Amino acid sequence: EAQVTQNPRYLITVTGKKLTVTCSQNMNHEYMSWYRQDPGLGLRQIYYSMNVEVTDKGDVPEGYKVSRKEKRNFPLILESPSPNQTSLYFCASSLFVTDTQYFGPGTRLTVL
Amino acid sequence: AQKVTQAQTEISVVEKEDVTLDCVYETRDTTYYLFWYKQPPSGELVFLIRRNSFDEQNEISGRYSWNFQKSTSSFNFTITASQVVDSAVYFCALSEAGANSNSGYALNFGKGTSLLVTP
Repeated sequence: EAQVTQNPRYLITVTGKKLTVTCSQNMNHEYMSWYRQDPGLGLRQIYYSMNVEVTDKGDVPEGYKVSRKEKRNFPLILESPSPNQTSLYFCASSLFVTDTQYFGPGTRLTVL
Repeated sequence: AQKVTQAQTEISVVEKEDVTLDCVYETRDTTYYLFWYKQPPSGELVFLIRRNSFDEQNEISGRYSWNFQKSTSSFNFTITASQVVDSAVYFCALSEAGANSNSGYALNFGKGTSLLVTP
């Protein structure tokens, strides 16, 4: 089944404790992206990747890191999480940049 | 400036009513793509439609239809004979592909319209 998977789905952590949210797709997509969704603000892009080893900042990259060492994986790293990073996070992938983006199920992160 | 505006924050209808969700977009590109996604209460984002800027034909899929009008920069979504299962937040989104694009290759989402269909 073609899909985008994210883990974990739910995470409660404390300020400053490094964490990684994994994202994997099995569709051989070139493009992958991370978004965060906040009430009243909608979905905003954090980082994106056009291909392996090619990543760039989106609208709200501060406090996040990403890497794209393999085509299928695009982990999101929070080196020192803060409460303002409490949000619902979505990973997405598409064949190319303007193609339909398919979203993972979301990761609900709470930083205390 | 917001590239995608969904002016209706919340809409409430009674089952079997028709409902139209408005989407107005802004771009200087001649090549762009418009999308609608559905986010049911369970939280996932479900793709509904993708339309490119060169195809202004309206589209119908079952009870869903979309009206794309470049002259008014709108891409409205109509649900005919609404059902309770249509209750969700609906997002309109824009992807720009042209030389004027400075969007960082993102999907630019509107803030969403929350649709509640009651029995």
